[in-house]
Amino acid sequence: NAGVTQTPKFRILKIGQSMTLQCTQDMNHNYMYWYRQDPGMGLKLIYYSVGAGITDKGEVPNGYNVSRSTTEDFPLRLELAAPSQTSVYFCAAARDLRAFFGQGTRLTVV
Amino acid sequence: GQQVMQIPQYQHVQEGEDFTTYCNSSTTLSNIQWYKQRPGGHPVFLIQLVKSGEVKKQKRLTFQFGEAKKNSSLHITATQTTDVGTYFCPTTGNQFYFGTGTSLTVIP
Repeated sequence: NAGVTQTPKFRILKIGQSMTLQCTQDMNHNYMYWYRQDPGMGLKLIYYSVGAGITDKGEVPNGYNVSRSTTEDFPLRLELAAPSQTSVYFCAAARDLRAFFGQGTRLTVV
Repeated sequence: GQQVMQIPQYQHVQEGEDFTTYCNSSTTLSNIQWYKQRPGGHPVFLIQLVKSGEVKKQKRLTFQFGEAKKNSSLHITATQTTDVGTYFCPTTGNQFYFGTGTSLTVIP
């Protein structure tokens, strides 16, 4: 089992561009999360989902959108990228309150 | 979700010294979990505590859940450079907030 897979691992975006960060899990977990982690800082929750078709905002949702059409996939969409969105993005899937994280996507907006 | 405060935010120790980080809640917790994130890595689940007064050990790591289920601690005995990283005790519930954690630096 691969667990939680995030793509891409690295990306450089220009200001104003858009992109989708992909997250897929093969554990059949209902709960999925997107976090961002700025250098030397903790994890901030962007969006989460408790199951297919259900999403909700976390602490820092502005500038992002998500969808959850299947249990497996939970993509994060950045519209009109800004330098403040430079960060490492982690996706996680959870069951029984135990979270499994992907390897992260390092995004730089220039 | 339940709000949990973690202290200290940063800790530097000499290799071989002990280290403790604490998580405190104003409300009773149903359970508490601990995660570790190595520099450049992703958070990894360490343990979950559920029972009042529960103590669990993993080699040099000792995890405790308070009698009132409002606080928890992680104690590392005789730190090693492999213990470097950030330790988190996220809130439970749908939102799963991780917060800032405690960043541990071990000086060789």
